[in-house]
Amino acid sequence: QVQLQESGPGLVKPSGTLSLTCAVSGDSIRSSHWWGWIRQPPGKGLEWVGYIHYSGSTYYNPSLMSRVTMSIDTSKNQFSLRVTSVSALDTAVYYCARNYGGNSYFDFWGQGTLVTVSS
Amino acid sequence: QSALTQPPSVSGSPGQSVTISCIGSSSDVGNYNRVSWYQQPPGTAPKLMIYDVSYRPSGVPDRFSGSKSGNTASLTISGLQAEDEADYYCSSYTSSSTMMFGGGTKLTVL
Repeated sequence: QVQLQESGPGLVKPSGTLSLTCAVSGDSIRSSHWWGWIRQPPGKGLEWVGYIHYSGSTYYNPSLMSRVTMSIDTSKNQFSLRVTSVSALDTAVYYCARNYGGNSYFDFWGQGTLVTVSS
Repeated sequence: QSALTQPPSVSGSPGQSVTISCIGSSSDVGNYNRVSWYQQPPGTAPKLMIYDVSYRPSGVPDRFSGSKSGNTASLTISGLQAEDEADYYCSSYTSSSTMMFGGGTKLTVL
């Protein structure tokens, strides 16, 4: 069974950088699948942030593209998210998930981690 | 990119059927069979219920079915049960090689 687990600071200061890591077990991050991030502001809907392939290819949400970077660490079987210049609008539960084969569906999800942007 | 359009809420009594629509465009839903649906009870992570428009993952009851016509995808839940009460989201691949979610629909079982 594929499992994903998010980790990172739960509180980030405005204008700072949000950094999260997703540890993957039960599948190799070097597989044909893509690895993505989805966020959900409190009481609101899901927003696709982006996804990455182990080759290094990435696709980001156009509304976040200027502030988002994703990376992969194949030695640790994990991938990461960085969002710069954060504001209160970036406060959300951040989920990592596996995208089956790319341009497809998210079949396995992490439990999510709440990141609050506040001074 | 704008979110796919879903009704904010739907409701039905136990045993009835409900349908949730997901309206996109020719740049996403209408041009790709890469529509998926997710169920999210309060406080939990989303769960995949339908993929590639109409396929069910193992373990998802056959009461859940998906379809698509033009730029609109639909999720139908038949034989409604109390445990089906949750938020439901559609998602689609887009011509920009990105993914997109709908705004979500809250299903209430009366």
